[in-house]
Amino acid sequence: EVQLVQSGAEVKKPGESLRISCKGSGYTFANYWLSWVRQMPGKGLQCMGRIDPSDSYTDYSPSFQGHVTISADKSISTAYLQWSSLKASDTAIYYCARRRYTSTSDAFDIWGQGTMVTVSS
Amino acid sequence: DIQMTQSPSSLSASVGDRVTITCRASQTVSNYLNWYQQKPGKAPNLLIFAASSLEGGVPSRFSGSGSGTEFTLTISSLQPEDFATYFCQQSYSIPRTFGQGTKLEI
Repeated sequence: EVQLVQSGAEVKKPGESLRISCKGSGYTFANYWLSWVRQMPGKGLQCMGRIDPSDSYTDYSPSFQGHVTISADKSISTAYLQWSSLKASDTAIYYCARRRYTSTSDAFDIWGQGTMVTVSS
Repeated sequence: DIQMTQSPSSLSASVGDRVTITCRASQTVSNYLNWYQQKPGKAPNLLIFAASSLEGGVPSRFSGSGSGTEFTLTISSLQPEDFATYFCQQSYSIPRTFGQGTKLEI
């Protein structure tokens, strides 16, 4: 079964650092880009950035550039999203999603279950 | 960024109804438009890709159409399990952007 399994919920204080993970299985991890998507409480979906696990090339949405770091270790089929200094406004559910790309389509076909991050003093 | 606008934002309907949700892009996205369903407490699930292609395992009562800047998602005969929020998403340019969602209440 193709799946993405994310790390568990986190409760942090403002200013703390955090890294959450997303482990792929059932497919060749390096062959598919992974994106991170934020969903703030009761809100919509925002793409934060993405990574090509084959070479760790990343690009970020302008709104998130400089605020988070995306990385991956293809040897263990795992991607990461990290913050060096969390803010209360980072409180959200974070999803990883696999990009399925063809010459005529480009969609997120597999999603992780989500990681809830709560930042509160 | 390409802005995606869905209408309506919420919709009440009955089992068996035909429902249509509209998604408009602020500039052309060709046919690089996808639809997702999200149920409470769950991750989004891909329903339609490339504007009109049904994802494997998705019931045939779901269909998509459109190109350029205007798209629709249609559910031909609503079932109780279709209670969910639906999002459109463009994959034409970076950053990928989603519509604000349409909450469908049965």
